[in-house]
Amino acid sequence: GENVGLHLPTLSVQEGDNSIINCAYSNSASDYFIWYKQESGKGPQFIIDIRSNMDKRQGQRVTVLLNKTVKHLSLQIAATQPGDSAVYFCAEGSTSYDKVIFGPGTSLSVIP
Amino acid sequence: DTGVSQDPRHKITKRGQNVTFRCDPISEHNRLYWYRQTLGQGPEFLTYFQNEAQLEKSRLLSDRFSAERPKGSFSTLEIQRTEQGDSAMYLCASSLQTGTGYSANTGELFFGEGSRLTVL
Repeated sequence: GENVGLHLPTLSVQEGDNSIINCAYSNSASDYFIWYKQESGKGPQFIIDIRSNMDKRQGQRVTVLLNKTVKHLSLQIAATQPGDSAVYFCAEGSTSYDKVIFGPGTSLSVIP
Repeated sequence: DTGVSQDPRHKITKRGQNVTFRCDPISEHNRLYWYRQTLGQGPEFLTYFQNEAQLEKSRLLSDRFSAERPKGSFSTLEIQRTEQGDSAMYLCASSLQTGTGYSANTGELFFGEGSRLTVL
């Protein structure tokens, strides 16, 4: 079936470097895409979303890029900090259905 | 704390027993979702409510699972005759949908910290 998936299950970066987490999706009906951060023992926390009519959106230290041609989504974290260590999930949603579908996640580890 | 709260945080039970989890969403949120998460995986959608109406159930939700949101506020998720494969984190999330169509859905779900179930 259609699903959201991630290329890299784990990622280690040096503190201060930029991080890039990638995600592939296959559901062309999705209207928006979301990144969530999940710290150990906690529920996922919304980071940023992007709608299908955009290709880039920036937040505080984070940028999401959407390439609909190749069905690829990425999350860029600038100046990665130890507090960014977590599992990051990309997810997709649509106005055609009211649930958010999550991918399998990437674990980001920041090396001090 | 005005976030989503879940109870209990941890539940250990023997196979065959029934368990019930409770979720209290953010008070003004009209949507409530249940997800299940196993180690190393993303949350899997189970069901969701718009106010008190249960609008969708995943195929993952066997007939041993039942969810209710009787007054459109808190929700319960009951698992009957638990099996070891039910061991997981059960996450509740809420959101506010203010209209219809594209602008109504942002994907921003507010999650609780989950209820971890261990079936022995």
